[in-house]
Formats: sequence, structure tokens, C-alpha cells
Amino acid sequence: DAGVTQSPTHLIKTRGQHVTLRCSPISGHKSVSWYQQVLGQGPQFIFQYYEKEERGRGNFPDRFSARQFPNYSSELNVNALLLGDSALYLCASSLEIALTEAFFGQGTRLTVV
Amino acid sequence: GENVEQHPSTLSVQEGDSAVIKCTYSDSASNYFPWYKQELGKRPQLIIDIRSNVGEKKDQRIAVTLNKTAKHFSLHITETQPEDSAVYFCAAPPDYGQNFVFGPGTRLSVLP
Repeated sequence: DAGVTQSPTHLIKTRGQHVTLRCSPISGHKSVSWYQQVLGQGPQFIFQYYEKEERGRGNFPDRFSARQFPNYSSELNVNALLLGDSALYLCASSLEIALTEAFFGQGTRLTVV
Repeated sequence: GENVEQHPSTLSVQEGDSAVIKCTYSDSASNYFPWYKQELGKRPQLIIDIRSNVGEKKDQRIAVTLNKTAKHFSLHITETQPEDSAVYFCAAPPDYGQNFVFGPGTRLSVLP
């Protein structure tokens, strides 16, 4: 029974570069949300996708973008990386769009140097 | 927008004692409230949740109580064990949205 999987697990990038993070939800789950977790803080909402459409967006700059594919997997893209983008990026998978149990992947630890 | 607070920020208890963490939220239409446990270097793990039509929910040593009028809900852990040591996050949805706003977390230490 595969849970939420994210890749890569760790990543080091230089300021100004771009990065693509990937997420595969639990089989049968149609909703994927992305969160940023800075060390010592709670996760902060970035995007939610359901049935390939953006259904919610948090307070993040336009450098952040995402998409969801027909198989419900998702990508998070961040352009023009800043040092402050260093964080754990978490993907959460839920069955439907309605508020219900959300299960997190192990995250991608992004370090911007 | 939704504002979620947790108290206390850190909590130390002796093994076998109980631990209680309180979470307050601001939005009125919130109707689903999860609690997550995050061990060091690991993913947040859903441990219990409650919907607004229920006042209390239990799962073995863990329980959650909800006071919708006062806009707060609490996590109760009984007979604490060292493996309960972790950071616990509560979350609540905003009035307009299907995402979660997380609290700042409570670091629980269970001392042997």
C-alpha cells in the first residue's frame, strides 16, 4: 500500500536557479496540496489541485507554480530561487476536494545556497 | 483570514502522565480539525481528527475535544510514553478554502 511519494528527497540549488519537485498521491486520491515548512514552524499552504485544476493558492509569490497531471501526480516549480526558499516542501494527498483526511509525503528538503 | 494558535509551545511530562495541547482558531465556518504528529526529520502524521458535529473523539490513548462556540479544540494524550515525544500541530480550514492553516506547533517531551 503505497503512501504519498515525493522526489527528490534532498536538493541543493544555487540562488537564481529553478527547481521542480514531484509528488505522487495515494492511489485513488484526486486532490494534492503543497505546503512549505520552514524549520521550527508549521506547514504553510502553497497550492491545492483537484482534477488537474488549481483550487486554492496561498500567499506565495508568482515564482511558485504548480500543476497536476491526468494521473493525479503533481509538480511544484519554483523560479529564481532565493535563500529564503530553503525549507521542507511537503505534498499532501486527499481523497476528494472536501476537507477530509490529508496524508503527507516525506517531503523534499530544499537548500538554496 | 484563519489564525491558528497553540498552547503551550513546549510541554514536558513524566512518562505515564497525561498531556494536553490546546488549539484556538478564528474563522467561523471551520468544520474539520486534524492533529498531526511530526517526529524529527519525518513527515507530519495524522493522528486524530474531529468534525464539528462531534464534541469528542477517542482513539486508544489519544482523544480530541472540540468547543465550537469558543473556537478551540484540544489534544489529550494519556499514559504518555517516550515515543510520544514529537512536535504536534493542529490545523483548521479557513472560511473560504479547502486547505489547512497550521498552528505553530507544540514540542512534547516525555521524560522516562
